[in-house]
Amino acid sequence: QVQLVDSGGDLVKSGGSLRLSCTVSGIDINDYFLAWVRQPPGKGLEWITSISAGGSSIHAIDSVEGRFLVSRNTAENSFSLQMNTLRVDDTAVYYCAASKGTAYNFWGQGTLVTVSS
Amino acid sequence: DIQMTQSPSSLSASVGDRVTITCRASQYIGNDLGWFQQKPGRAPKRLINEVSSLESGVAFRFSGSGSGTEFTLTVTSLQPEDFATYYCLQYFTYPWTFGQGTKVEVK
Repeated sequence: QVQLVDSGGDLVKSGGSLRLSCTVSGIDINDYFLAWVRQPPGKGLEWITSISAGGSSIHAIDSVEGRFLVSRNTAENSFSLQMNTLRVDDTAVYYCAASKGTAYNFWGQGTLVTVSS
Repeated sequence: DIQMTQSPSSLSASVGDRVTITCRASQYIGNDLGWFQQKPGRAPKRLINEVSSLESGVAFRFSGSGSGTEFTLTVTSLQPEDFATYYCLQYFTYPWTFGQGTKVEVK
């Protein structure tokens, strides 16, 4: 059974940093594209960043480029999202997700990040 | 970036109704499109991959069609558990982009 468990969400002040983690079981992350998707309160889904199956390629949306960084820990079969210089509009539920290069079929339960001014 | 325009943004329907949701891409995305269902407080669930490939365990009343830039999700006979919000996702090119969502509500 595949399970993704995301954690690390918290209340943080604008300009602060936070690290989200996604612990994966049931699949080998080396075979999967890994991503973070967020959802602001009451709004739709937004893909924000992903790392390729081999870890050689990272993509991100412009608004988080240079502030957020996704990374993998193959020894622990987990991946993370380091978020720096957080802004109020980064407030959202953050989901980790995985797929073999198509629409994500495995998702974490979501972790809430609240950025206050 | 590729814009995914979903319509309608919301609809009211009754159990047993046929429901169709459309997703239009701002440029060609081939068959690189998936559909998700999301219920309040829950993570999205993939229903369909590659335009029309139904996820294992998903009811056959869900189907997807289309190609290129225009795609549809159809529910042939809406059931009580289908009231939710639906999203399309293009994974043809980065950044991957979701449609804005379609909320299916009880009439």
